[in-house]
Amino acid sequence: GESVGLHLPTLSVQEGDNSIINCAYSNSASDYFIWYKQESGKGPQFIIDIRSNMDKRQGQRVTVLLNKTVKHLSLQIAATQPGDSAVYFCAERTGFQKLVFGTGTRLLVSP
Amino acid sequence: DTAVSQTPKYLVTQMGNDKSIKCEQNLGHDTMYWYKQDSKKFLKIMFSYNNKELIINETVPNRFSPKSPDKAHLNLHINSLELGDSAVYFCASSQDNIQPQHFGDGTRLSIL
Repeated sequence: GESVGLHLPTLSVQEGDNSIINCAYSNSASDYFIWYKQESGKGPQFIIDIRSNMDKRQGQRVTVLLNKTVKHLSLQIAATQPGDSAVYFCAERTGFQKLVFGTGTRLLVSP
Repeated sequence: DTAVSQTPKYLVTQMGNDKSIKCEQNLGHDTMYWYKQDSKKFLKIMFSYNNKELIINETVPNRFSPKSPDKAHLNLHINSLELGDSAVYFCASSQDNIQPQHFGDGTRLSIL
């Protein structure tokens, strides 16, 4: 039931604010990174990706920033909406077809 | 049009039983995966298959046996179920190593 995930880091924002979700990755050889959104009872849904030869990539209302020096990835969501409430995961590709997922961050958006 | 579909969505069974979870993708992808998500939401890869060939087996107990009858299907059979197998199991697919993986909506397995 919904008791799972209570120990996830949580970011609470107001509707209309910008949200920044951070992720530290582990493998300096990782060459590809993805952000996923997981709503309750659903599978992870692809949001945006970035390759290691880039620092920044923008999508619709979302931006991913990659800092390879400190092995840090962030997801910025502009004008956050209640429908953005979900658990967000970063993932790094550490080898052929192998994605390693981060621990997840719960985003709560208040109207 | 569900791209990656898993059945059943819920599976409740007793310890010691054998069960299977089915997965089908209609995206024409070459690669399919099984992941396990535990109660803390931690998501970990178990297996990947590329064109029906096993590519990744992440030290999963051999009670778990994936089977890929064709590249659109990857089923997961679990023998002698244990309490620790309770989790949500996700199937995913991708076109190749470059494209993002697309996930099904999961199968919640509960062992009594």
